[in-house]
Amino acid sequence: GQQVMQIPQYQHVQEGEDFTTYCNSSTTLSNIQWYKQRPGGHPVFLIQLVKSGEVKKQKRLTFQFGEAKKNSSLHITATQTTDVGTYFCAGADGTGSYQLTFGKGTKLSVIP
Amino acid sequence: DAGVIQSPRHEVTEMGQEVTLRCKPISGHNSLFWYRQTMMRGLELLIYFNNNVPIDDSGMPEDRFSAKMPNASFSTLKIQPSEPRDSAVYFCASTYRQGARNEQFFGPGTRLTVL
Repeated sequence: GQQVMQIPQYQHVQEGEDFTTYCNSSTTLSNIQWYKQRPGGHPVFLIQLVKSGEVKKQKRLTFQFGEAKKNSSLHITATQTTDVGTYFCAGADGTGSYQLTFGKGTKLSVIP
Repeated sequence: DAGVIQSPRHEVTEMGQEVTLRCKPISGHNSLFWYRQTMMRGLELLIYFNNNVPIDDSGMPEDRFSAKMPNASFSTLKIQPSEPRDSAVYFCASTYRQGARNEQFFGPGTRLTVL
């Protein structure tokens, strides 16, 4: 079945440093989504990427979808303490099922 | 507008007992998903429904787990009998299938502890 790998598993940064998490799928995706889960909370949708090579920005967050639609990245510029949480990528396999395969997430800690 | 509602928020039970988790999806959403989250295995899809019909239950661990969606506004996930390894956070999520856009809205989760 489809597998979605995400690295790193953990990342500790000083406030103000940049942060990047990477996601790689074993199969070509129809789209990829990113979610954020705060400690003790539930996953919250951030963005969806559909097109090959697509780049989207949300303030300090930049999301990319690879040309082959098998990998993606999330980059945060100048991290803040409010960025703390676990970031998940989730891939849709393009069969029309609308189910997502989640990566295991990258847990971000920001040291003030 | 209310989001996805789950109950109970916390459940502590003893091994062998029946556990029923409940979910009310967002009104108008036509797909519903049950996930289990643990540190070791991450977020796993257990089963999902489309228009109240189970589409894929391949993630359900074993026969002890069952899920129903009797109508568009209610779903249950039942574990009988429960075992300590079932301890996890169980999330329900819903979405409205429309074209390529299919972001999922998660409920607050039920933290299950089986002693």
